[in-house]
Amino acid sequence: GDSVTQMEGPVTLSEEAFLTINCTYTATGYPSLFWYVQYPGEGLQLLLKATKADDKGSNKGFEATYRKETTSFHLEKGSVQVSDSAVYFCALRIAGGYNKLIFGAGTRLAVHP
Amino acid sequence: ETGVTQSPTHLIKTRGQQVTLRCSSQSGHNTVSWYQQALGQGPQFIFQYYREEENGRGNFPPRFSGLQFPNYSSELNVNALELDDSALYLCASQDKQVAVPDTQYFGPGTRLTVL
Repeated sequence: GDSVTQMEGPVTLSEEAFLTINCTYTATGYPSLFWYVQYPGEGLQLLLKATKADDKGSNKGFEATYRKETTSFHLEKGSVQVSDSAVYFCALRIAGGYNKLIFGAGTRLAVHP
Repeated sequence: ETGVTQSPTHLIKTRGQQVTLRCSSQSGHNTVSWYQQALGQGPQFIFQYYREEENGRGNFPPRFSGLQFPNYSSELNVNALELDDSALYLCASQDKQVAVPDTQYFGPGTRLTVL
């Protein structure tokens, strides 16, 4: 079935370090791909998305490129801040039908000054 | 701020009881989805309602049921609570009429603890 696999956390970085969080997916159709962020005590916020192969989603310095050949959607940021500390979820939605999101298990990021 | 609110924030129930969780969608959004997020896991899709009818369901038993009302509010009902139902319950709303239907707006969630 359709699924998303993320790298396990926690990921611990110093401020201004480079961030990569790996995400790969398995899907029967042509999914849209998403990254959501969850800050402590809050719900999910959409961070970025890509709807077709080779699309690059970007927001707040974060980027991810939809790679169909490797079925990946890795999240990157060039210089993280303490305020980026949160749990990051990769998700997919299969085209057609209702708007069901399939999430990975999440990756916790902790950024230290 | 997504405009999606949920109540209550926290809830404690005992095994076998019934619970109702509430969600108020963003104004104008005619679609609401409910997700269950167990501790340390990603959200799992429970079901979706569109114009007051269920139009999609995940792998959850019938004791999980829902309602959607014309005023953009909705409910998630869980009967015969089990310990494994302890989780954060998230609702998400969207407007199927907009040009970009993929964006779902999540509420802050209700933390349910079953003892």
